[in-house]
Formats: sequence, structure tokens, C-alpha cells
Amino acid sequence: EPEVTQTPSHQVTQMGQEVILRCVPISNHLYFYWYRQILGQKVEFLVSFYNNEISEKSEIFDDQFSVERPDGSNFTLKIRSTKLEDSAMYFCASSDTGNSPLHFGNGTRLTVT
Amino acid sequence: RKEVEQDPGPFNVPEGATVAFNCTYSNSASQSFFWYRQDCRKEPKLLMSVYSSGNEDGRFTAQLNRASQYISLLIRDSKLSDSATYLCVVGYSGGYQKVTFGTGTKLQVIP
Repeated sequence: EPEVTQTPSHQVTQMGQEVILRCVPISNHLYFYWYRQILGQKVEFLVSFYNNEISEKSEIFDDQFSVERPDGSNFTLKIRSTKLEDSAMYFCASSDTGNSPLHFGNGTRLTVT
Repeated sequence: RKEVEQDPGPFNVPEGATVAFNCTYSNSASQSFFWYRQDCRKEPKLLMSVYSSGNEDGRFTAQLNRASQYISLLIRDSKLSDSATYLCVVGYSGGYQKVTFGTGTKLQVIP
């Protein structure tokens, strides 16, 4: 069964550093998403991406965040200057249509020290 | 009112028991409904979509009540492997799927 893959599985970085989280969505999917989950809390929407542009973003997704689909397969989330409160599990997801369920990758655990 | 609300639990049930979870949502324009399962420190995994007519998949039955804006999940004959957090997910499509997660209901099946 095709799956969404994310790398790295764990990223440790110092406050103020830039990080790039990488995702390879399922190949025939057209809609891409980033979610995050702070330990012990709910899964929170960050951003959705379709047709090479952001469809919607949440309040969490401020100017420090950006997304990119640099080629036909990768989908990246960049955090420009990480803060302690950015520590969380970041999940990438994709779907084939605008109504179908999201398929999640296994996440990148980001630890900001 | 929270967009998607669930009882966080935990629900501790013996093996073989039947357990039901409810979820309410606030956006009456919501169009799609799902139950996901999340194991500790893992990604959410789709358990089942929820349709207006109700649907069943083995031991799992999902129901949707649009008038009252709630969704339910029934698990029959609980197994130890059913222990997880069950996430209610509600979405609407404005050309893309925007989904909102509930906080999840934790289920612990006890031997």
C-alpha cells in the first residue's frame, strides 16, 4: 500500500536555527497538508497546499513557516527561526481529492533546545 | 464551543466488551467525517469514513446524525489491540479538504 514518508524521524535543533522537514506524499495525490501535535495535545492544522500554492493556513502558520514543493515528489515545511514552543511532532498528509481521507506520514519529532 | 468535541476518557473496558464513543461538531457546513486511530507517539491512521446512512466494518460501526451534529463509533468484542486513542475528524471541502481533529478519546482494553 502506498504511503506518505517523512524524514528525518527526529530532529534536534537549537533555538533560532532553521529546520526543514521533508515529506514525500503518495504519488498520485494532489492535496498536501502539514499538521502538528504537541505532546499530550490534539492534532492541529498548519497548512494545506494544492496546485502549487497554499490553500489555507492556520494562525499557527506565521511568517516563520513556509512550505514548498520543489519538485514533483517532495513537500517541505521550513521553520526559519525555531522557538522552544515549536517542539512537537509534525505530520505531513496527502489526499487524492478534495473530499477523500487524509493519509498521514509517520511524523518528524522536532525538539528545540 | 469547540469545533470538534470528544470525551477524552480514558475508557477502561474488559476484553470482549462493547464500547461507544461520541463526538460533536459545531460547523453545520461540515461534509466529511472520519474516525482515526492513533497509537502512542504514532501518526493518525484512518479507521473508517462515516456516512450518513451509517457504516460498518467488522467489529466497528460508525453513525452520523447531521441534525444533532454528532458522530459515534461503536466497537464490539473489544480486543487488547484496540487500545489506542480514537480521533474524531470533521472536514469540509472548499476545493480542498480542511479537516479538524477532536482531542481524541483514549481506550484501554484490559485483559
